[in-house]
Amino acid sequence: DAGVIQSPRHEVTEMGQEVTLRCKPISGHDYLFWYRQTMMRGLELLIYFNNNVPIDDSGMPEDRFSAKMPNASFSTLKIQPSEPRDSAVYFCASSLLAGYNEQFFGPGTRLTVL
Amino acid sequence: AQKITQTQPGMFVQEKEAVTLDCTYDTSDPSYGLFWYKQPSSGEMIFLIYQGSYDQQNATEGRYSLNFQKARKSANLVISASQLGDSAMYFCAMRPISGNNRKLIWGLGTSLGVNP
Repeated sequence: DAGVIQSPRHEVTEMGQEVTLRCKPISGHDYLFWYRQTMMRGLELLIYFNNNVPIDDSGMPEDRFSAKMPNASFSTLKIQPSEPRDSAVYFCASSLLAGYNEQFFGPGTRLTVL
Repeated sequence: AQKITQTQPGMFVQEKEAVTLDCTYDTSDPSYGLFWYKQPSSGEMIFLIYQGSYDQQNATEGRYSLNFQKARKSANLVISASQLGDSAMYFCAMRPISGNNRKLIWGLGTSLGVNP
């Protein structure tokens, strides 16, 4: 079975540009999570969805960040305009409602904003 | 407030020996779940083991076991017979079980190196 798929795996962009990160969760999963990981702040939850509906976006840093989940198999995280301090690894994860609800992570997108 | 503390930023263990990674937590929720994840240098996050607060027995998954001491609010990960491939960052996380909150609270991680 395919795991969580993220694209692109690496993104290098210049300050001020729009960045769109993409995620395909595991089929049948009910929850989708977006995280950001940096050395300074560790792993931070940005937002999570349940059945395509945003549940908690309290971790979204500011208005420059937005996330959508138009259907059960696709989500995007957009940064507009990007800034150097947005440089990080962005993870998408998904989980089932039932069981332990352990989160299955994608490989991450390493974003560098110059 | 909910909090996970991992007091060992980095540690080393000799191959084939057992190692314990510490995790303490703070929560006011009556029921909760505790998770351990591994992050090798390649970057992916891998789920290792889960412990529910009401589970009567400590969780085990192959070489991984969880030393759960509820009164002390600790959920230490024990890796038996360490292998070179165990070198990685290890994260402890927690979330309430009751209600609809699926947000995990994460520790800052422990870096484990396994020496040959």
